[in-house]
Amino acid sequence: EDKVVQSPLSLVVHEGDTVTLNCSYEVTNFRSLLWYKQEKKAPTFLFMLTSSGIEKKSGRLSSILDKKELFSILNITATQTGDSAVYLCAVASYTDTAQKLVFGQGTRLTINP
Amino acid sequence: NAGVMQNPRHLVRRRGQEARLRCSPMKGHSHVYWYRQLPEEGLKFMVYLQKENIIDESGMPKERFSAEFPKEGPSILRIQQVVRGDSAAYFCASSQSRAGGSGNQPQHFGDGTRLSIL
Repeated sequence: EDKVVQSPLSLVVHEGDTVTLNCSYEVTNFRSLLWYKQEKKAPTFLFMLTSSGIEKKSGRLSSILDKKELFSILNITATQTGDSAVYLCAVASYTDTAQKLVFGQGTRLTINP
Repeated sequence: NAGVMQNPRHLVRRRGQEARLRCSPMKGHSHVYWYRQLPEEGLKFMVYLQKENIIDESGMPKERFSAEFPKEGPSILRIQQVVRGDSAAYFCASSQSRAGGSGNQPQHFGDGTRLSIL
């Protein structure tokens, strides 16, 4: 059965700290790995990773994928209170007739001022 | 540029009633996906549709649940004879194309419909 596991499940840090969120997966028909940020409403797309070793960066956020070891990390530097959210990792599993995202449980990140 | 639009945002039903959830994909997107999120759990895939076709419904319960994406109008997720266990947030996502076609395209999510069963 396809599985995506995130760790930690919950993380509380102070503003300005750097955090690393982890995502490991066992998914057949792997196509890509995606990170989303979920506050109260819609998961908001952050990154999509398809190739190993290539870092994707957007401001203070960055992410990298290791397809050999089947994991990804999401880094947030100089955290701000607005970074508080649930971060979701998802793996896209596609075949000719099926296409879905398999999600992890999420990491609830709390940034204290 | 409107994103994925879902309505209603909140829906309250009594046990045994029907629930209809609507989703209009982003402009230019022809692929629609429905996911369910139970409290304190991750999103679980339910169904993937293109216009007038169900492509993958492997995540959808066999009974009481159905989905459609007609040629005109929004995609509809329909739950008949709702039970308490159907209470959840239902998210719709859309993408521009299918992976393996013109390449990987991320799925973009709507704000969800929170379904409460009394």
